[in-house]
Amino acid sequence: AQSVTQLGSHVSVSEGALVLLRCNYSSSVPPYLFWYVQYPNQGLQLLLKYTTGATLVKGINGFEAEFKKSETSFHLTKPSAHMSDAAEYFCAVSDRSGGGADGLTFGKGTHLIIQP
Amino acid sequence: GAVVSQHPSRVICKSGTSVKIECRSLDFQATTMFWYRQFPKKSLMLMATSNEGSKATYEQGVEKDKFLINHASLTLSTLTVTSAHPEDSSFYICSARDGAGGETQYFGPGTRLLVL
Repeated sequence: AQSVTQLGSHVSVSEGALVLLRCNYSSSVPPYLFWYVQYPNQGLQLLLKYTTGATLVKGINGFEAEFKKSETSFHLTKPSAHMSDAAEYFCAVSDRSGGGADGLTFGKGTHLIIQP
Repeated sequence: GAVVSQHPSRVICKSGTSVKIECRSLDFQATTMFWYRQFPKKSLMLMATSNEGSKATYEQGVEKDKFLINHASLTLSTLTVTSAHPEDSSFYICSARDGAGGETQYFGPGTRLLVL
């Protein structure tokens, strides 16, 4: 069974500072990897995903993530935080063998707080 | 593109009644839809996978007789919470996978259910 670990239920950074949200997965075969953002009382919006190819993937709103197989990690970063980035961030995985037809396994989420 | 809607956005019902939640893919055909449940300050948990024209596949621990799922068309899946009880109060989120293939799931805005 797959599992996803997000270190830090809450991360606080100053506006303009680097954002780093950590995600590690546990899977015998590297899965499909996703980062989603959730604003209060809303659904999830896809930030970025890794399926194959280049291990550094760029997403929306200036976010990017790097897949590191040796570390089983897929950390999310943004060079300069903006107040509008304050939200809940979820890392999720999907079994590659299912070709994307399987449901997602989510991490517990990281609440990003931006200090003015 | 890739918009998923849910209706209603929130519902309050009395204990013992049934509630139906609709999930629609607005601009694509979704051969597979998924239903997730999110508890307060918790991650999303996959409840079931819904394939058009066939029976839903439920995750372990999810009562199929309590959470009825119907995927009658390529753009509509419904979740009916039967004989709802206060412990069923939660945020229910659906997602849809484009029938053209791919591994990305597009999420609806969620439905907040409160059972009194």
